[in-house]
Order: sequence, then C-alpha cells, then structure tokens
Amino acid sequence: DQQVKQNSPSLSVQEGRISILNCDYTNSMFDYFLWYKKYPAEGPTFLISISSIKDKNEDGRFTVFLNKSAKHLSLHIVPSQPGDSAVYFCAARAGSGGYQKVTFGTGTKLQVIP
Amino acid sequence: DTEVTQTPKHLVMGMTNKKSLKCEQHMGHRAMYWYKQKAKKPPELMFVYSYEKLSINESVPSRFSPECPNSSLLNLHLHALQPEDSALYLCASSQRSLGLAAITGELFFGEGSRLTVL
Repeated sequence: DQQVKQNSPSLSVQEGRISILNCDYTNSMFDYFLWYKKYPAEGPTFLISISSIKDKNEDGRFTVFLNKSAKHLSLHIVPSQPGDSAVYFCAARAGSGGYQKVTFGTGTKLQVIP
Repeated sequence: DTEVTQTPKHLVMGMTNKKSLKCEQHMGHRAMYWYKQKAKKPPELMFVYSYEKLSINESVPSRFSPECPNSSLLNLHLHALQPEDSALYLCASSQRSLGLAAITGELFFGEGSRLTVL
C-alpha cells in the first residue's frame, strides 16, 4: 500500500519556465511533508518542507503548496534551471519523538532543457 | 560539518560472504536509519536506531543485522544475501528533539553504498 504517490515518473521543462511536481497521499496522520532532491550516485538532499497546518511554504525559487482536503501537494520551481535536473521525492512524516518515521513517494525525474 | 559518511561506496559479494556496511555522522544526531533503494523505487525504511537502541525493524530478513556501537556509528552486517538484495543502501540521521530540522522531520542522508550480490 503506497501511502505517498507521485503519479508522474518524469517531467521535461524548458529552462526559465515553471516546473510543477505533484504528490498525493492517503494517510491523514502525516503532520509534515518534505521534498527531497536526488542526483545519481548521491543520497537524497532535503529541499523544502511544509506543516500539515499550512497551505504554502516558499524558499527562493521553490514553493510547496498543500491541499489537505484533497490530500495533495505540489512543488513549484520558478524559474527552472538546468541544475535542477534530478529525481524529486515527495516524503511525509507521521508523528514525532526521538526519531522520524518518513515515507517516500516513488519519485519524479525532472529534466530541465537549456 | 553536516556530512553522513558511508563506506564502502561499492560492494560486490557472493551469497556465502559476510560483509558490513558502515555509516558515521558527527552532527550529534541521536537517531540513525538504514534505507534500501532499488532502481526506480523510493527509499524503503529498514531500521531505525534512537539513542543507540533499535526502535524500528520493518520486518527485515535476519540476513541483515544492524548494529549501533555508539551515537555516531551505524553498521549493517550482511550474511547469506540473495541476488535480489542488490540495491543502494542509504544511511540517514536526524536531529534531536529541538530545532527546526527535528520539527520538520528532515533526514540527512549519506551518499549510499551500492551493493551487488552475485
């Protein structure tokens, strides 16, 4: 049972345009949502997060939107740059404590074309 | 210093071999994780250690044996693996209970150890 889903395995965008990556989830207990970026042969690196009580969080070129009623979130990258080409994982956390229980989506491979 | 260091980066082993993957962090994090990632799949949680105690074992076969000798080190001992265990093994750590990274659930990942079982 995939609790976090990214239905688009890949996305191509022209440099300078907007990239929109989508993510759906099923577990209402998730309290934080995160986006990670992964280059080949490297571990995932944290990009941006959003609390379940917010609907938007912005950090430079990256904005994450959360629609809790639809159990949907999206990552907007504006403007897109060739260096943004990577696999993007949506992730969600349930609860807190001494450790983080994080579930990852299947990933979307973004290609930004110069 | 925000690094999580994993060794070796690549490992090839036979099904009868015994080997270990190692992970080290010096960020003062008290939770450490092993994830397994196969091609075109998301990272899947295997084990979580919190304050050097095993907190989560996601029904991982006993041929994988984790060990947390101290708060900075995490090992994954491998024995009698199968070819389908070939994957990228990722180590991660997370912040203690204070700080923004702890609140958001941010994990700090190493570069991974690419394991091939022949």
